[in-house]
Amino acid sequence: DAKTTQPPSMDCAEGRAANLPCNHSTISGNEYVYWYRQIHSQGPQYIIHGLKNNETNEMASLIITEDRKSSTLILPHATLRDTAVYYCIVRVGGHTGGFKTIFGAGTRLFVKA
Amino acid sequence: DAGVTQSPTHLIKTRGQQVTLRCSPKSGHDTVSWYQQALGQGPQFIFQYYEEEERQRGNFPDRFSGHQFPNYSSELNVNALLLGDSALYLCASSLKGNTIYFGEGSWLTVV
Repeated sequence: DAKTTQPPSMDCAEGRAANLPCNHSTISGNEYVYWYRQIHSQGPQYIIHGLKNNETNEMASLIITEDRKSSTLILPHATLRDTAVYYCIVRVGGHTGGFKTIFGAGTRLFVKA
Repeated sequence: DAGVTQSPTHLIKTRGQQVTLRCSPKSGHDTVSWYQQALGQGPQFIFQYYEEEERQRGNFPDRFSGHQFPNYSSELNVNALLLGDSALYLCASSLKGNTIYFGEGSWLTVV
């Protein structure tokens, strides 16, 4: 079973910030939070990841709460091309024994003009 | 820098047949994972290969098998195809435990 819960869908106006929440209350100390998105019929695209500090890259910002039980992906200026399913995943770092990446159902983000 | 490449992109098979899907990892990556994604659902983890060995496996029957070659490329084999095996099959690669990157997938239709 997925270790994260996300709202099934969200709307956002074009040009506004999209804030996508994710709950991961059972996250372990060595597990990272990863975000991917999937545009219809394409492979998932990596967006950003973090362990406990907030992170920012050219695509998005990731805010992780101090207790690490939840996080928010922020798309600062959403465009129509950001319409996609967004997946929040937790997984261990490192490689001993291999690792699994378990996806939930994700959040379907609709960006509207 | 080539990303993860998969072949074929689309294929149609008959129930009971066998299928082989192929994956070349992103340059510099040594670990390959396979996922099955049914329409409207999130990707489901099948298994992961590293150093030519299966390291982790999801909840899939033995009809699903794989292989990793010395050049890190990988194959996914599915025997005795069922209608329910129709899905998008995704390959993802990483350098050991680092960020995984996905290919565009192979669409399999079983009729």
